[in-house]
Amino acid sequence: SQQGEEDPQALSIQEGENATMNCSYKTSINNLQWYRQNSGRGLVHLILIRSNEREKHSGRLRVTLDTSKKSSSLLITASRAADTASYFCATPPGGGSYIPTFGRGTSLIVHP
Amino acid sequence: DTGVSQNPRHKITKRGQNVTFRCDPISEHNRLYWYRQTLGQGPEFLTYFQNEAQLEKSRLLSDRFSAERPKGSFSTLEIQRTEQGDSAMYLCASSPGRGSTEAFFGQGTRLTVV
Repeated sequence: SQQGEEDPQALSIQEGENATMNCSYKTSINNLQWYRQNSGRGLVHLILIRSNEREKHSGRLRVTLDTSKKSSSLLITASRAADTASYFCATPPGGGSYIPTFGRGTSLIVHP
Repeated sequence: DTGVSQNPRHKITKRGQNVTFRCDPISEHNRLYWYRQTLGQGPEFLTYFQNEAQLEKSRLLSDRFSAERPKGSFSTLEIQRTEQGDSAMYLCASSPGRGSTEAFFGQGTRLTVV
């Protein structure tokens, strides 16, 4: 079963705008990761946030984590056409496993 | 190139045939994962190795699927008696372990069963 679910499923914005996507998960976690996948290719790790962290930044990326609501958000600021991709959150499935388990992803299209 | 390498990149096979995919992880990564991904879906976990030991297998992995990592380095995923429903992207990832859960993915092998 899937641990994380991203929302929205699809997002279409103009270049320069900010993009926000959310992830909700079911069981307690010790970390949450975000990945990007360009069309038909492998996934690239973007950022990891630990359960004792509330916010983390990496370049134009900002990730928040609310363990009380079992949710995370990924904000991409000043988006570029090259940010067009699918974005996935990954969490351990619970039960002591640390295998990254993915949701269905958010498909982001940034129009130039 | 020191990333995760998967071969072949594409495979077209007739229903009923056996196929084998190879994954070369990043050197010294002791964890290796196999995932399957279909269009519009996220990667679904198939199996996990720590060194040469296969520690977890998904219920998605039917008895037609088998994976090995004989020397704790490269891994193979074999699908016997392929079915059209096996058509998907098969992704391999590796992780250094030792407290790190970040996974590094290969480009995948796209399987088409006709």
